[in-house]
This record gives sequence, C-alpha cells and structure tokens, in this order.
Amino acid sequence: NAGVMQNPRHLVRRRGQEARLRCSPVKGHSHVYWYRQLPEEGLKFMVYLQKENIIDESGMPKERFSAEFPKEGPSILRIQQVVRGDSAAYFCASSHTQVGLLSGNTIYFGEGSWLTVV
Amino acid sequence: EDQVTQSPEALRLQEGESSSLNCSYTVSGLRGLFWYRQDPGKGPEFLFTLYSAGEEKEKERLKATLTKKESFLHITAPKPEDSATYLCAVHSTGANSKLTFGKGITLSVRP
Repeated sequence: NAGVMQNPRHLVRRRGQEARLRCSPVKGHSHVYWYRQLPEEGLKFMVYLQKENIIDESGMPKERFSAEFPKEGPSILRIQQVVRGDSAAYFCASSHTQVGLLSGNTIYFGEGSWLTVV
Repeated sequence: EDQVTQSPEALRLQEGESSSLNCSYTVSGLRGLFWYRQDPGKGPEFLFTLYSAGEEKEKERLKATLTKKESFLHITAPKPEDSATYLCAVHSTGANSKLTFGKGITLSVRP
C-alpha cells in the first residue's frame, strides 16, 4: 500500500491497559490521517495531523484517545484505559499535500493495526 | 452532513459476468470521489479519484464513472482475483481532508 507502515499489526490488551499504535507515512508525505473500522461498519475518520500539528480531530472521542505526529519519528495514536468497544482495526493514511489542494493528490493507507480488548 | 451509500451490500458473480457497483452520495460540494479496494485483513488500496460529473477512469477490468449524485464501478469480465470489498469515499468542500466512506460492497467472483 504505497509504503505506509503501521505497527503493531495485531495488538491484544486487557481492559484498562493502554494501546499505542504507530504509523510511518510514505517517504516525503507530511500529512497523516487515522481512521477506525469497526466490524460491519465503514471506515470512520478520527484525526488529521501535519508535522507537530493537529489539524482536525473532529472524529476523535473526547476522552482516552490522543494522537501526535512529532517532528521526528512516527505518528502515534494512543488509547488509554481501553474498553471492549475500542476493539477495531485502526488505519493510518498519508498524503503529500492536503487532499483537495492538488488534483491527483490522494490518500494512501497502511495495512492497519488490529486491536483486540479482552 | 456528508453521506455515502453503497449498493448492493454483497454481489456474487460468475467469472466473466460483467456488472456494476453503485455509490450514491450527498455532499455540500464535491471535491473528489474515491474508490478503494480492500482485501480481508488488509488496508484499502487506492483505485481511482473522480472530480467532476461526466468524468471516467479505467484500470484493467475496472471503469469508474461519476454523475452529480452517484458513481458506478463497472467490472468487465471479472476474474476470481477481483473478489474483494470495494469502498467508495467522498471528500467535500469544508471537510478539510476528511474522507467519508460507505460501508463497502463485498464482491465474490466464482470460477
């Protein structure tokens, strides 16, 4: 999938633990997005980040969820005190510029991180 | 609020039997309509972006078309390896870079 790297691919956490999901965008991409896919549901937008900045977090739950994209290193999606309802596939995506600014620019997705809360 | 509805939910075809997948959308203003393919346990794989009504794009056995209210993904003479879930998403004006996805259409092609 065009070089977006996510890890871990699979993660099991007990209720109340923390989950950290990492995403390295396509080389040269500075725009990162996180989406969540629940069983039988479509992909839902969570957050859009540019280096060191959160641009749009309108899809993020207000509590327990946070995201960052530091100047150096991968983007991190952090879920504190996980509950069973957090079990889902979390996809990271990246683009070269903000989608819509340039015709032909698109968003490339990683393989996903599957979180299971037991 | 942007809405995307894909139909049918599932489609079973015989190898070589051409068909179309539908994506109906409601947006305030369309910046782009995206088609992705997703295999089980994998991430979405980019197929096409369409920007304006009347636009068409082709890739191998797939052809995507766009009107002001819907998009079609036409599959000509499908093969078993075309079996996957096909996702449609819209990017609307005022939505930053957020894509709104439909629930997908699961295509199964029998040999």
